[in-house]
Amino acid sequence: DAKTTQPTSMDCAEGRAANLPCNHSTISGNEYVYWYRQIHSQGPQYIIHGLKNNETNEMASLIITEDRKSSTLILPHATLRDTAVYYCIVRESSGGGADGLTFGKGTHLIIQP
Amino acid sequence: ETGVTQTPRHLVMGMTNKKSLKCEQHLGHNAMYWYKQSAKKPLELMFVYSLEERVENNSVPSRFSPECPNSSHLFLHLHTLQPEDSALYLCASSQEGRDNQPQHFGDGTRLSIL
Repeated sequence: DAKTTQPTSMDCAEGRAANLPCNHSTISGNEYVYWYRQIHSQGPQYIIHGLKNNETNEMASLIITEDRKSSTLILPHATLRDTAVYYCIVRESSGGGADGLTFGKGTHLIIQP
Repeated sequence: ETGVTQTPRHLVMGMTNKKSLKCEQHLGHNAMYWYKQSAKKPLELMFVYSLEERVENNSVPSRFSPECPNSSHLFLHLHTLQPEDSALYLCASSQEGRDNQPQHFGDGTRLSIL
C-alpha cells in the first residue's frame, strides 16, 4: 500500500499558486519525498524531491514540515497545462540499488480558467 | 521529450497473439522498469532490471516475459493475454548507484486485448 495520503481532487484558478498537500506520517528517517505528475495520456513526469530541507526548482517548490510527517508541493503560477494527477511518493534511500516506486491514487488538480 | 521512448503507442491484439512492447532510453541510465496502469487503479510495478539483470519480479503472470538485452533497451513479450491485461504499460529508467536519482518515464503503450 502507498505510504502517503492525498486529497482526491483540487481546483485552482489559473495564475494563482496551487498548493498540494501530502501526509506521510509513517515516513522513516532515510525516506525521501518525491512528487510526480501525470497529464492525460502521458507517462508520469518527475517534478521534485527532498529529504528534510525545502527544495525549489524551475517547476515547483517542495515544503516539508519539520517533523517530516507532511509536505506541500507548490506550483507558483498555475497554468491550464498544469492540470494533471499529482503523486506524492515516499521512497527509501536506494543506497545504489534499483527500486520501484509505489504510486497511490494521487490528487487530480484542475486548473480553472 | 523525456528521453524514454516506447513503441508502439497503441496495440490491439487477440488473446492468442504474441506481441512485444519495446522501450529505449537515451539517458545513459543503468536501471529500467516496467509498470502497469489499469483503468481507475494506481500504477503497479511489474519488473526491475539493474545492469541488465532482473532484480525484481512483482508476482507477474508468466504470460508477461521481460527481456533486457542491454542497458538502453527493454522489451516486454506478451503471449496468451487475458482481457484484464488491457492497460497502459509504462517503461521507466534511472541511474542507480547515485542516491535518489528520479525515474524517468516514457509515454506508455496502450494495450487492448480483444
